[in-house]
Amino acid sequence: AQSVTQLDSQVPVFEEAPVELRCNYSSSVSVYLFWYVQYPNQGLQLLLKYLSGSTLVKGINGFEAEFNKSQTSFHLRKPSVHISDTAEYFCAVSKSGGYNKLIFGAGTRLAVHP
Amino acid sequence: SAVISQKPSRDICQRGTSLTIQCQVDSQVTMMFWYRQQPGQSLTLIATANQGSEATYESGFVIDKFPISRPNLTFSTLTVSNMSPEDSSIYLCSARQGPNEKLFFGSGTQLSVL
Repeated sequence: AQSVTQLDSQVPVFEEAPVELRCNYSSSVSVYLFWYVQYPNQGLQLLLKYLSGSTLVKGINGFEAEFNKSQTSFHLRKPSVHISDTAEYFCAVSKSGGYNKLIFGAGTRLAVHP
Repeated sequence: SAVISQKPSRDICQRGTSLTIQCQVDSQVTMMFWYRQQPGQSLTLIATANQGSEATYESGFVIDKFPISRPNLTFSTLTVSNMSPEDSSIYLCSARQGPNEKLFFGSGTQLSVL
């Protein structure tokens, strides 16, 4: 079975500072990895996904993530955050291939302060 | 991109009653999933709604409590039966159009049980 650990429940950061949200996964088989964002009172939106190929994945809103198989990590980064990035961020994993279910991490609340 | 309509968007129910949540997708999708998001927590998969056969439930969730129907490739329902205050949560429908595709989410049903 797959599992996801998001190492930080909350990350406070000042506007225009860089940020990294950490995600580690566990799986005995190859996986796909995802980051979703949930803005206050809104549904989930996909930021980016890793299926195969280049380990550096670029997503929407200036976010990127790097798949590190040896460290079983998929950390999310942004070089300069905005107030509007304040949201809950969820890392998710599924077995690779086909129509496998997504397992979500506990989430990280990113709070961007002016 | 698929659009998922979920209703009701919110409801307040009495203990011991049942509520059926409907999920309509604007295009045919191969897989549909039902998640629960309890206040301040991550998403927990309840079950995979299989078209033409019984749903596949995750550990801790049973058909008697959460019966699911999926009569065709665009529609599914989740019923929360014999509700208790512990069932108060957001229930999310999601769908995947094809293999390796991202998961789309409905806007959720916020359920409060008194």
